[in-house]
Amino acid sequence: DAKTTQPPSMDCAEGRAANLPCNHSTISGNEYVYWYRQIHSQGPQYIIHGLKNNETNEMASLIITEDRKSSTLILPHATLRDTAVYYCIVRVANTGNQFYFGTGTSLTVIP
Amino acid sequence: DAGVIQSPRHEVTEMGQEVTLRCKPISGHNSLFWYRQTMMRGLELLIYFNNNVPIDDSGMPEDRFSAKMPNASFSTLKIQPSEPRDSAVYFCASSPPFEKLFFGSGTQLSVL
Repeated sequence: DAKTTQPPSMDCAEGRAANLPCNHSTISGNEYVYWYRQIHSQGPQYIIHGLKNNETNEMASLIITEDRKSSTLILPHATLRDTAVYYCIVRVANTGNQFYFGTGTSLTVIP
Repeated sequence: DAGVIQSPRHEVTEMGQEVTLRCKPISGHNSLFWYRQTMMRGLELLIYFNNNVPIDDSGMPEDRFSAKMPNASFSTLKIQPSEPRDSAVYFCASSPPFEKLFFGSGTQLSVL
């Protein structure tokens, strides 16, 4: 069962930073936060994940609050190709392997 | 690496027919997942395997659905008999132990 809450939709101007929030208030100490995105009709694509420290890779940055009850995915310079549904998922590492996807946030990047 | 390979990409069948969806995971990945996606219910985890063994099939909707993984490089999801409400996109994903998922391109199933 999905354990995260995300806004259903967001808009972002092309070239600006897109900040996608996620609430996971019941997260446990051994649960990671994962972000995936799904571009129309394609399979979901991994973006980034973290436990408690902020993370950055070539696609995005992940900011996790100190109490770990929420996080923000940041796309630093959004392009039209970033228009997609973004999913925030919490998963227990090293035990179960279930990834439960919620309803996600539909991000539209506007020219 | 070719990634996770699913076949067919599209399947159109009539109600009551048997449908078999196929998946080839990425070599070396020991976990395999089947998901179903619809507008109403989003992405649902149907079943997942570790080392070819079904671990959690609690998401399988009913006895008409069955999944097998006879070896590390092949899995099937079978629906018998199919019904119109089974129309959806079915995704297969694989992963190394306790790591991120890699998804296939999906099978678009239409049951008339």
